[in-house]
Order: sequence, then structure tokens, then C-alpha cells
Amino acid sequence: GENVEQHPSTLSVQEGDSAVIKCTYSDSASNYFPWYKQELGKRPQLIIDIRSNVGEKKDQRIAVTLNKTAKHFSLHITETQPEDSAVYFCAASMGYSGYALNFGKGTSLLVTP
Amino acid sequence: ETGVTQSPTHLIKTRGQQVTLRCSSQSGHNTVSWYQQALGQGPQFIFQYYREEENGRGNFPPRFSGLQFPNYSSELNVNALELDDSALYLCASSSVEELAGGPNTGELFFGEGSRLTVL
Repeated sequence: GENVEQHPSTLSVQEGDSAVIKCTYSDSASNYFPWYKQELGKRPQLIIDIRSNVGEKKDQRIAVTLNKTAKHFSLHITETQPEDSAVYFCAASMGYSGYALNFGKGTSLLVTP
Repeated sequence: ETGVTQSPTHLIKTRGQQVTLRCSSQSGHNTVSWYQQALGQGPQFIFQYYREEENGRGNFPPRFSGLQFPNYSSELNVNALELDDSALYLCASSSVEELAGGPNTGELFFGEGSRLTVL
């Protein structure tokens, strides 16, 4: 089936630094790309998403970029805080309908004070 | 809170048994999907229901089946449980818009999940 590759699998940064997580996808029909944050024992929560007609989107300290030609998209977190520590998942919609998601394997982000 | 509730939160079964997991979607949402999340992995799409019909399925065998009811609640049934079925099962609801280019889903709202352990 179609895959979403996510890198790195673990990321450790100092508080205040930036964190970047990168994903690639293979389904050329994907048109919706959300990012989820999952804390231990909790549900995944949407933090930002982008659709294929947009190249970049920003929400306070979080931004996502999308390169449809290269089939990759990235999450950027600036001025990281300890509460940003969690597992982050990227996802890409399946097919033209965009009704279901292929998830990456996740990035465990640790922000140290 | 997302308004998506799942039950039970935890359960233990033995190989060969059957299990039913339940989900109540967020009010106003017309679509429910189920995902399996093994430990340390990303969620994997099982299937989705839209207007009470399955309209998409991931790479899961037929012993994984589901239902969506008129009130948009849903069930996931797994027969002949195997050890590898041990995972967190997540239900997600969303609202699909009928656009000129085809249906387009909005944000997925996940429930807290049902953690299944198969012994």
C-alpha cells in the first residue's frame, strides 16, 4: 500500500531551540496533510494541517510546509517548551476522496529545560 | 474534549475469542473511522463508515468488521482474536463535505481509545 515515511524517529532539543520533523508520501492523490501530537496514554490531537492547494501554513509557534512536487512536508516548531515533549505523527490522506489517513511511525520529541 | 467516546477503555481477551468495541461520534459528524495503533507505531487505518456504509478499508482481514448506526455511533468487531491484535483501537469522527471534486473530509477527532490485550 501507499506509505508515509517520517524522520527522525527521536529528536531531543534544548528549550527555546527549533524542532523540525520531515515526512514523505507516495500517493500522488493525497491532498490533506495533518499533524497530530500524542502524549503518553492520550488520544492523538490535531495541531496543524495543510491542504494541497497551499504551500505553507503557520499557527503561532507551529508551521507546516508542503512540497507537492517532491511529495514531502515538514513540521516546524519554534521556541520549543518542555510541554511540547510528545510523539508527533504526520499523515497523508488516501486517494482523491481524502477520507482516511496514512500515518507515519511517529517522532518522539523531548524538550529539555 | 473531542466529544468522541469509546468503550470499554481496557479489556483482556484470549486467542480465538471475539470482541466488540463501541464508539459514539461527535455531534454533527457523519463519518466514523477506526484505526489500530500498536505500541510504538502510528495508527493504521482499518475502515471508515459514511452514512452507515463502509466506504474504505485498509489492509485488514475480513474478521475485522464494523457497523455504523443512524445516530452515527459505531462498532468494531474482531473475530478469532490473535495475539497480534493486541493494540490501542482508536475511533475517529469527522464531517465529510460533498464538494464538486468529490467528498472531502475535515479534521479527524479521535476518542481516547480502547486498549485490547489478547493473551
